[in-house]
Amino acid sequence: EDKVVQSPLSLVVHEGDTVTLNCSYEVTNFRSLLWYKQEKKAPTFLFMLTSSGIEKKSGRLSSILDKKELFSILNITATQTGDSAIYLCAVGPLLIGDYKLSFGAGTTVTVRA
Amino acid sequence: DSGVTQTPKHLITATGQRVTLRCSPRSGDLSVYWYQQSLDQGLQFLIQYYNGEERAKGNILERFSAQQFPDLHSELNLSSLELGDSALYFCASSVDMNTEAFFGQGTRLTVV
Repeated sequence: EDKVVQSPLSLVVHEGDTVTLNCSYEVTNFRSLLWYKQEKKAPTFLFMLTSSGIEKKSGRLSSILDKKELFSILNITATQTGDSAIYLCAVGPLLIGDYKLSFGAGTTVTVRA
Repeated sequence: DSGVTQTPKHLITATGQRVTLRCSPRSGDLSVYWYQQSLDQGLQFLIQYYNGEERAKGNILERFSAQQFPDLHSELNLSSLELGDSALYFCASSVDMNTEAFFGQGTRLTVV
């Protein structure tokens, strides 16, 4: 069975700090790893990673994948209170037409002013 | 707004009842996924449809069923409801396996 483990489970930081979130996985037929941000309701898409070593960036957020060591990290620099959310990591298999995502439990990030 | 529409937003029903949750995917997306999120379980994959056909099944209970219609909207049917079925039910859609899935706002089901 696919396994996705995120760490830490939660963290509290002050505005301006940098946070690093970890996601490790054990998946049969790995295809891609995705990061989502969940605030009040629907998870919103952040990044999709399929290749090792290529950093994806969006503003203050960045992420990288290591397919050899089976993990990914999500970095948030210069954190703001609006970054407070649950960050979810998900992995998808390499099967034609099958995009079942297996999610980790999430990391709850709280940014204090 | 992700473009994925779920109705209703909230649903309160009694144990033993049956409900239907509806999802309209983003325009052009052929694949629809259903997920259940409860406080102690996180996001759990239930089932996936691709262009009307069931493609993948997760830990979906036998009391639950789903279908995707020719116009690509999907319905998740939950029957013989139990208190433990109370959760947020998300629908997500994607074009295909090469693209990310976008989530709807969810339906919060409360079984009393």
